[in-house]
Amino acid sequence: SAVISQKPSRDICQRGTSLTIQCQVDSQVTMMFWYRQQPGQSLTLIATANQGSEATYESGFVIDKFPISRPNLTFSTLTVSNMSPEDSSIYLCSVVMAVSYNEQFFGPGTRLTVL
Amino acid sequence: AQKVTQAQTEISVVEKEDVTLDCVYETRDTTYYLFWYKQPPSGELVFLIRRNSFDEQNEISGRYSWNFQKSTSSFNFTITASQVVDSAVYFCALSEKKSSGDKLTFGTGTRLAVRP
Repeated sequence: SAVISQKPSRDICQRGTSLTIQCQVDSQVTMMFWYRQQPGQSLTLIATANQGSEATYESGFVIDKFPISRPNLTFSTLTVSNMSPEDSSIYLCSVVMAVSYNEQFFGPGTRLTVL
Repeated sequence: AQKVTQAQTEISVVEKEDVTLDCVYETRDTTYYLFWYKQPPSGELVFLIRRNSFDEQNEISGRYSWNFQKSTSSFNFTITASQVVDSAVYFCALSEKKSSGDKLTFGTGTRLAVRP
């Protein structure tokens, strides 16, 4: 499996501000995804991060709120814009490596609290 | 639409007991994959197993075993001789083929507490 790191690991932010979360993988991967896990809840897919093109968003998530970049095969960022307390969640990136077919491996997550 | 149901919200057992976590799924796909992940208190999701829809053989890995029953759309997970370190939230997930790649649909998770 790949070694996946996320920065920051946690943050406390004021409402109305934005936070950019980074996901770095130690090897090239075919797919990168961003998930949200609200407190005590399951994981929900936000979007698929596409290299060199716009991300593919799931229903209920929009680019203006969650802009995503993926400039290369090992790095992606998710920005949570104009935050409100309802955005308090764990944000996780996941990757699929070509050799592992569709097994998704997850990063350690970013725990966000919005005051 | 895909759906994964984990009816057990929380389970509490005493160390060394066996415990089974249930997972029932719904899909219209003929080819699909099922997964189990473990989320310990640290929050990181740990991949445990992937099983494709054409392979109904049960799998055993140490104290872990998985029972895939296509006829009942279930993919249950058993921990034998549970240990305190098994305490975590366990998620069952189902993959769906999309043009942008495989999408995972997660169940709501089962919180397992193993008491010494």
